[in-house]
Amino acid sequence: DIQMTQSPSSLSASVGDRVTITCRASQSISSYLNWYQQKPGKAPKLLIYAASSLQSGVPSRFSGSGSGTDFTLTISSLQPEDFATYYCQQSYSTPPFTFGQGTRLEIK
Amino acid sequence: EVQLVESGGGLVKPGGSLRLSCAASGFTFSSYSMNWVRQAPGKGLEWVSSISSSSSYIYYADSVKGRFTISRDNAKNSLYLQMNSLRAEDTAVYYCARGGRWLQLDYWGQGTLVTVSS
Repeated sequence: DIQMTQSPSSLSASVGDRVTITCRASQSISSYLNWYQQKPGKAPKLLIYAASSLQSGVPSRFSGSGSGTDFTLTISSLQPEDFATYYCQQSYSTPPFTFGQGTRLEIK
Repeated sequence: EVQLVESGGGLVKPGGSLRLSCAASGFTFSSYSMNWVRQAPGKGLEWVSSISSSSSYIYYADSVKGRFTISRDNAKNSLYLQMNSLRAEDTAVYYCARGGRWLQLDYWGQGTLVTVSS
């Protein structure tokens, strides 16, 4: 199975900061990498799919990049509503479609 | 508007069974793969199972293989998860989610809580 490793596990930042979260796959997954945001008590929300495609309705301050094994999610200017937990997930080939362990983004 | 509404969660004893349902609306259900994802209390997301649009392809996580069965009824716009031989470690919020063209999980339900405890 493909393993997904996110870093950091947690991150403190301030409103207006630029933030980058990384995700590494244990083998090449081409561009089959997705990013989700989850707030406490809520269902996850898709932000980015296919490594760099912005899901409809998601603010343009969110962007994704990478291919192969290394990927990043960048938030260009943090807003108060962006403090949440972020997960990467691979959807390459056949399941299991594994998730990263999550990155908790907290207010500094 | 795409809507996914899970139901069927609850408290069950170890070794017991439960059937989850997910009612879909706002899209052509029969054209999309569907998934179950779970989240144990305070933990991360775990993919559980996927089913293709016509039920031709079905996949399970190793942790549930042989105990859980995913199915769908395209005429009723509904997804199901039959869970047997439940264990304490199956305690989680279970989400249904629609699969997109890149197999991304583009829409999620609100989740239903399954608690396995004596």
